[in-house]
Amino acid sequence: GQNIDQPTEMTATEGAIVQINCTYQTSGFNGLFWYQQHAGEAPTFLSYNVLDGLEEKGRFSSFLSRSKGYSYLLLKELQMKDSASYLCAVSPSLRFSGGYNKLIFGAGTRLAVHP
Amino acid sequence: IAGITQAPTSQILAAGRRMTLRCTQDMRHNAMYWYRQDLGLGLRLIHYSNTAGTTGKGEVPDGYSVSRANTDDFPLTLASAVPSQTSVYFCASSEQFDKSYEQYFGPGTRLTVT
Repeated sequence: GQNIDQPTEMTATEGAIVQINCTYQTSGFNGLFWYQQHAGEAPTFLSYNVLDGLEEKGRFSSFLSRSKGYSYLLLKELQMKDSASYLCAVSPSLRFSGGYNKLIFGAGTRLAVHP
Repeated sequence: IAGITQAPTSQILAAGRRMTLRCTQDMRHNAMYWYRQDLGLGLRLIHYSNTAGTTGKGEVPDGYSVSRANTDDFPLTLASAVPSQTSVYFCASSEQFDKSYEQYFGPGTRLTVT
C-alpha cells in the first residue's frame, strides 16, 4: 500500500532550527513535495525534490534520500509566523497512479513556534 | 486576481440533500483536483481531471461526482449527502498532469452534513 509518516506535532523556539521528518512507502516515486498550511487556510507550496540531496530556498531547505524513502524539511531562524502545519506529499509512479500529480499526502506535522 | 476560487465558503447541509461545490481557476491550468481534509487523515484525493473533458477517480471517490466541461471550472457534486462527508473540501490545479508540478489550492469549503 501507500503510506506516508510524519510526526503529528512539534514545538520549537523563535530563532531556532527545526527539522520535520517524513518517511514514505509508495508503489513508485516521481517526486516529493512539502506544503505549508496555516490554520483555516489553503496549503501553499514550499518545495519539490525528485533527486537525492538538499534543495535550499531561503530559510527553508528540503532533503531527499530515495533509497531510504526519507525526506526532511529544515526551517531556520524560526519566526512566529512559521507556526503552521507542514504537509509531506509523494507523487507515485505513473503506472499505478494514472498521472504524476495524483499526490499521496501525509497527515501533516503541526509546528508551534514559541517566543 | 489570479488563482482559484471556491464557493460556498461554508455550508450546513441536511443528510440526503444534493449539493454542488464550485471551483473556478483563471490560470489556464490543464489539471484540476478535489481533495477532502479530515483531522488526522490529511488531504485525500476524491477526483481529478487531467484536461478539459476528462475525469478520473482518486483515493475516495464514492458518493461524489465531477465534471470538466471547460478548462476553468471543476464542480464537485454530492448526490445524496451523508454525515461522513462532513469535511473541508479543497480544489486545486496544476499546469499539466504529465509532470510533477506544484498544485495551487483554493481557500476551501467547510461542509457539515447533519
